[in-house]
Amino acid sequence: DAKTTQPNSMESNEEEPVHLPCNHSTISGTDYIHWYRQLPSQGPEYVIHGLTSNVNNRMASLAIAEDRKSSTLILHRATLRDAAVYYCILRSLGGGSQGNLIFGKGTKLSVKP
Amino acid sequence: EAGVTQFPSHSVIEKGQTVTLRCDPISGHDNLYWYRRVMGKEIKFLLHFVKESKQDESGMPNNRFLAERTGGTYSTLKVQPAELEDSGVYFCASSLDRHILNEQFFGPGTRLTVL
Repeated sequence: DAKTTQPNSMESNEEEPVHLPCNHSTISGTDYIHWYRQLPSQGPEYVIHGLTSNVNNRMASLAIAEDRKSSTLILHRATLRDAAVYYCILRSLGGGSQGNLIFGKGTKLSVKP
Repeated sequence: EAGVTQFPSHSVIEKGQTVTLRCDPISGHDNLYWYRRVMGKEIKFLLHFVKESKQDESGMPNNRFLAERTGGTYSTLKVQPAELEDSGVYFCASSLDRHILNEQFFGPGTRLTVL
């Protein structure tokens, strides 16, 4: 799976939007972009994924650059509960590692009241 | 529907002892994964079961670790004998199938401390 680069940490104010960037300059055409997050003292949880088009779900939006070399996870209104480590993970169709997730260091998001 | 459960939530053992961690995946999920995070490091994959078969055990650190999934339901991860560097949080995850578009559901983890 290709490598991703994320800022170590970010801060946000409660009820403001948050844009979490991820660079994946070596992404291949069959790589999907997945985001997971890990709340304190919990296991990781799935947030969203996409391939080329922007995606929305109840948790967040995913904006994918036209060249797919970067993406941004958007939390439209951050809450205190959104304080977590956010992981941007590429998952590739085909190849021998279809199953497991490859976690990087992620971005630790702090939300201030 | 119950999520992925893990037992125990915490375990403190002496170096050289044996510990067995248990994971109950979501009912009907054929795929079960073990991951761990040791102190200050990233979450790392250990192994992947499809039903009762080991699909990928490339992340298992050494032969002191033994994972089983008899009957394709719950799984156990035994560490024998435990060493200090085995301390960390062990996560289990399950998914309906291994297609990359299927999300993995994680348990809360077992925090293992080896003294």
